[in-house]
Amino acid sequence: QVQLHESGPGLVKSSETLSLTCTVSGYSISTGYYWGWIRQPPGKGLEWIGSIFHSGIIYYNPSLKSRVTISVDTSRNHFSLRLTSVTAADTAVYYCARALTTVTTFDPWGQGALVTVSS
Amino acid sequence: SSELTQGPAVSVALGQTVTITCQGDSLRNFFASWYQQKPGQAPVLVFYGRNNRPSGIPDRFSASSSGNTASLTITGAQAEDEGDYYCNSRGSSANHVIFGGGTKVTVL
Repeated sequence: QVQLHESGPGLVKSSETLSLTCTVSGYSISTGYYWGWIRQPPGKGLEWIGSIFHSGIIYYNPSLKSRVTISVDTSRNHFSLRLTSVTAADTAVYYCARALTTVTTFDPWGQGALVTVSS
Repeated sequence: SSELTQGPAVSVALGQTVTITCQGDSLRNFFASWYQQKPGQAPVLVFYGRNNRPSGIPDRFSASSSGNTASLTITGAQAEDEGDYYCNSRGSSANHVIFGGGTKVTVL
């Protein structure tokens, strides 16, 4: 079955760039579907960051658009997230997930990666 | 408005029925998806679209929609149904995604 796994540094300094990769197994990204990033600050709710199609079509959360880049590497079957100029407010568990035929429906999700922004 | 509003918490007696609601203008045009999240775990999709329950999700989970309100119902709640439940749908732009703030379900 499809599995997703987030990887990347768990600690990022304030004003620097957060980078995460989501490796997909059990399914080829180039076959289809949108692939998304969602985050959850400690004790808070879920926030969509953005989604990418295997062809490179990308949609971003307008509130983060100026700082976010999502890319896909079909040869490595993974997609990535870059968030620039991070602050403490960007401390969160970052999830990657596959979007079903309705781009808002995410299933399955990765286990999540906690990224802490330090001052 | 591109927001989805959920009540913060509900409780239900074991074996009884509980309904969680999600309100937002986008729900007049788009269906909601529903996720269950247990502490320390990733969200799990439990219902989506008009009438879609993912494989492995018990049939005690059902959903409906009317006007600007989507609802998730757990009929015969079990102890393992405790957790936070989130709705999501499209935002002000059809290709944007928004989440509700989540509802904590406690099974007594």
